[in-house]
Amino acid sequence: DAGITQSPRHKVTETGTPVTLRCHQTENHRYMYWYRQDPGHGLRLIHYSYGVKDTDKGEVSDGYSVSRSKTEDFLLTLESATSSQTSVYFCAIRGSRTGELFFGEGSRLTVL
Amino acid sequence: GENVEQHPSTLSVQEGDSAVIKCTYSDSASNYFPWYKQELGKGPQLIIDIRSNVGEKKDQRIAVTLNKTAKHFSLHITETQPEDSAVYFCAAPNFGNEKLTFGTGTRLTIIP
Repeated sequence: DAGITQSPRHKVTETGTPVTLRCHQTENHRYMYWYRQDPGHGLRLIHYSYGVKDTDKGEVSDGYSVSRSKTEDFLLTLESATSSQTSVYFCAIRGSRTGELFFGEGSRLTVL
Repeated sequence: GENVEQHPSTLSVQEGDSAVIKCTYSDSASNYFPWYKQELGKGPQLIIDIRSNVGEKKDQRIAVTLNKTAKHFSLHITETQPEDSAVYFCAAPNFGNEKLTFGTGTRLTIIP
């Protein structure tokens, strides 16, 4: 158990509403990541963080913002959700010694 | 940035037979190549990885081979069992190993 929890695990929302997904870790790892998973596209990086208040964009960052005010929490925000953001979102942390990614259980978001 | 292509997208094999999944990458500087397994309803989990200083690595029924000249690496599963049914992802690092770029995934089905 890598000590990662995502919340909520499931959410249904309407187009235009704001949504925040939370990733919480208990391992004190420096690097945290948000990926989205869609059929035919695999896992695509949205944003990642390399420390408190240090974040950078991934390959599909448009429409998403992130914040990391504490080591243990990495928040992903959709300011105004669109149907194209319907997806399964995975948070991951990177192991300090090996570089291995440990993934959370995922958050399934449906935007109607 | 790194571009990773993965084939096939689906693969069905008889129980006991071998399965092979192949990936190519674009950045010749990449030096770390992990494989992740994702079971239904869960996050991906690392099953094996290889670094560029070796050409092959084995762990029981699983092996990974790397051809740096051709920029491709493969996952080999021998004596397949029903519990091997899952989605498998290859990955390669981006920008100094801070990020991983994933392939689009292979859904492996083991036929009893």
